[in-house]
Amino acid sequence: GAVVSQHPSWVICKSGTSVKIECRSLDFQATTMFWYRQFPKQSLMLMATSNEGSKATYEQGVEKDKFLINHASLTLSTLTVTSAHPEDSSFYICSARGQGGNSPLHFGNGTRLTVT
Amino acid sequence: LAKTTQPISMDSYEGQEVNITCSHNNIATNDYITWYQQFPSQGPRFIIQGYKTKVTNEVASLFIPADRKSSTLSLPRVSLSDTAVYYCLVGDLGDYKLSFGAGTTVTVRA
Repeated sequence: GAVVSQHPSWVICKSGTSVKIECRSLDFQATTMFWYRQFPKQSLMLMATSNEGSKATYEQGVEKDKFLINHASLTLSTLTVTSAHPEDSSFYICSARGQGGNSPLHFGNGTRLTVT
Repeated sequence: LAKTTQPISMDSYEGQEVNITCSHNNIATNDYITWYQQFPSQGPRFIIQGYKTKVTNEVASLFIPADRKSSTLSLPRVSLSDTAVYYCLVGDLGDYKLSFGAGTTVTVRA
């Protein structure tokens, strides 16, 4: 089945630094990936749609200069949280649709970001 | 995007069947219904997907009435490890910019 791998699974960084999170589709190609953020006891909130070879599409209220997305290949999308602050601490999850006409979204296991 | 409504929480006991109903009154013709399970600090895991009538796999069944304005996820004989949040998502597979609702927290007790 379609597997989406996220790395790292957790990261702690200091305020003001940048953190990169990788999302890989291991056994399929994904022209589109999605990035979500989830705060404790809340649902997933879509941040942006990552498109291979073109600019990401950001949801309203998500700062594109703060959350840099790069989708340089058909199997890798990266999310960089720039100049992180404690309020950016959250659980970040990526997803990609498997190949095949009716394939559902498959999710990575998430990255817990803690900014101190 | 079709808006979904699910119960906030459900309690059950081991061995019982759990049925979670999701309302999606404005579902579009091209929309599919997909259910996910999420454990704490993990990404959502695909459970089942359907378009109409009934779909069954090794872990669950999905019942969709003819008008498709609701769907019911059925988990047979739950165990403690089924305690999780369950999300119902409705969307066009060609688009797949899905929005997550609040989900249903299912708690299974011994």
